[in-house]
This record gives sequence, C-alpha cells and structure tokens, in this order.
Amino acid sequence: AQKITQTQPGMFVQEKEAVTLDCTYDTSDPSYGLFWYKQPSSGEMIFLIYQGSYDQQNATEGRYSLNFQKARKSANLVISASQLGDSAMYFCAIKKENAGGTSYGKLTFGQGTILTVHP
Amino acid sequence: NAGVMQNPRHLVRRRGQEARLRCSPMKGHSHVYWYRQLPEEGLKFMVYLQKENIIDESGMPKERFSAEFPKEGPSILRIQQVVRGDSAAYFCASYFPDRVGAGELFFGEGSRLTVL
Repeated sequence: AQKITQTQPGMFVQEKEAVTLDCTYDTSDPSYGLFWYKQPSSGEMIFLIYQGSYDQQNATEGRYSLNFQKARKSANLVISASQLGDSAMYFCAIKKENAGGTSYGKLTFGQGTILTVHP
Repeated sequence: NAGVMQNPRHLVRRRGQEARLRCSPMKGHSHVYWYRQLPEEGLKFMVYLQKENIIDESGMPKERFSAEFPKEGPSILRIQQVVRGDSAAYFCASYFPDRVGAGELFFGEGSRLTVL
C-alpha cells in the first residue's frame, strides 16, 4: 500500500518569494514515481513535475523544483518567484513503477495544500 | 489536459436518479482511469479500463457504480440511484502505457456531480 501525507493544509507566500510545500510518502515498492499537480479554483488538474525514485538528480521544471530526499521519504515542491496565479490547491501523488520505469497510472494522492500568494 | 474530453462538466441529479459521466481519451490512447474527488479531499482511484476490458476496479464502490469503455465511443461512468454522498468531482485520465515517467496521466477537466 502507498500513502502520501501533506501536513500543511494551507500556506501563504508573498509574491516573488519562494515557497516549499511538504510531501512525505510511504511505500514498500522498490520503484516508484512522485508527482505534483496543481488544481486552481476552476478545478482542472494540471501536472507540474515528476520524480522517479531512481533519478539521481532532483527534477526541475521552470519555477518548480522537487526536493527529493529518498532516505527521508520526502518529495517537497519548491516554487520560486511566486506569482499571483500560483494560488491554488497542490497535490502530491505517488505510483508504483516497473523496473523499466513504465507502469500503469494508478496514483495515490495526498490531501492537498492550499497555497495563497499575496501581492 | 485539453485532449481528454469529459462531459457534462456539471450535472445535477436528485436522490435516486442515475448519473452518466462520459470521457473521451486523448487521440491514440486506449486506456482510461476514473478518479473521484470528494469535497476538501484529494483524488482517489476508482477504476482502470482498456477498450472493452476492466483492468482494475479495486476503487469502485461495490454497489450502484459501474464503468465501461466500449470498442466505439467514450468511456462511461454510471452511478445508479445517486445519494448525496456521491456529490463529487469525477475525473477521467488518459494514459499511454509505453511512455515512461512524467505525464503518463493526462486529466480531463472533471465532471462535477451535485446530488440534491
């Protein structure tokens, strides 16, 4: 079984500052993938970033980076230079992967963190 | 992702009625997932389908819920005799199994069911 814990129900950040959203996970699978999704008030799910459990380097996608600490089982999302449009709900998710990195798309999501960016 | 089409976007039903939610995956994808998001919660896996096959329905409630993905046409999630607790956002996701890592799952915009 897999589990995602997001301990921050809500976070506030000033525009242009950086913010870290916490995510810890629990899994017995040797190979897994970690995801972050953004859900704005309009409701759609927007993929942000992915980290494979065997990736040596932390993933980055523009202003998003994933601080992956495998021994601590944490996969925190760092958003640099926050913008007003970053205000949304953020979900961390995990899925099992096969040795070659493929798998099917059964994700386990956390409860989410609401991020509010102040001007 | 705009490529995954869900309809209706919003659906209102009275208790005891049936709800049908439709999902057309991205072009070339033949695998779909359904997830449910209850208010104030994260998404939870319901069912995984390929064309004409249910691969994993471990997240589906045992009663009143069913899903299909026929050879022709969209995938349909059907909820019979809806109750207020079925009020939620239902997301469909499209999957291309040979793609490794990020972006394997592309979500539609969701269908929001409200049961009065």
